[in-house]
Amino acid sequence: EVQLVQSGAGVKKPGESLRISCKASGYTFTGYWIGWVRQMPGKGLEWMGIIFPRDSDTRYSPSFQGQVTISADKSITTAYLQWSSLKASDTAMYYCVRLETAAFPRLIVPFDYWGQGTLVTVSS
Amino acid sequence: DIQLTQSPSFLSASAGDRVTITCRASQGISNYLAWYRQQPGKAPKLLIYAASTLLSGVPSRFSGSGSGTDFTLTISSLQPEDFATYYCQQLNSSPYTFGQGTTLEIK
Repeated sequence: EVQLVQSGAGVKKPGESLRISCKASGYTFTGYWIGWVRQMPGKGLEWMGIIFPRDSDTRYSPSFQGQVTISADKSITTAYLQWSSLKASDTAMYYCVRLETAAFPRLIVPFDYWGQGTLVTVSS
Repeated sequence: DIQLTQSPSFLSASAGDRVTITCRASQGISNYLAWYRQQPGKAPKLLIYAASTLLSGVPSRFSGSGSGTDFTLTISSLQPEDFATYYCQQLNSSPYTFGQGTTLEIK
């Protein structure tokens, strides 16, 4: 059974750093892209970026390029989303997603599995 | 970026009703479109990709159609678990944008 299990909720202050994680199991981690989707409070979904764990090829939405870092550790089948300096506007739920099939620039079968979400709250 | 506009933004219906949600793209995307359902407090779930292909395990009351710029999601007979928010997503080019969502409420 495919599972994406995310790290727990966190409260941080503006300017602090943070890394949240997504532990994947039940499939070949190095064979699929894995990525992140943001959902701000009461708002819609925003695709942030994806990484291919086999070679760490990473693709970002222009809106998030330079704002976050996506990485993966294939030895422990875990993906990460990292901020070096949080802002209040980073307050959101973040979902880890698996990309089933892609033929770039197009996605064929998109995000078929989702993590449970990690709520990040940034407040002074 | 490709913009997706869903209509309506809110919809009231009763269990057993047939409903249709529309998603319009700002430029042609062939059939590179997906639909998701997000129940309150839960992660979204993929329903349909390639505009009309149901993901394995998705009930047949869901159907999708369209190509180019205009797409629809139809639920033939609403079940209690279908009262949720629905999002379309274009898969044609990065960034892979979502529509603003359509919230389906119980009448």
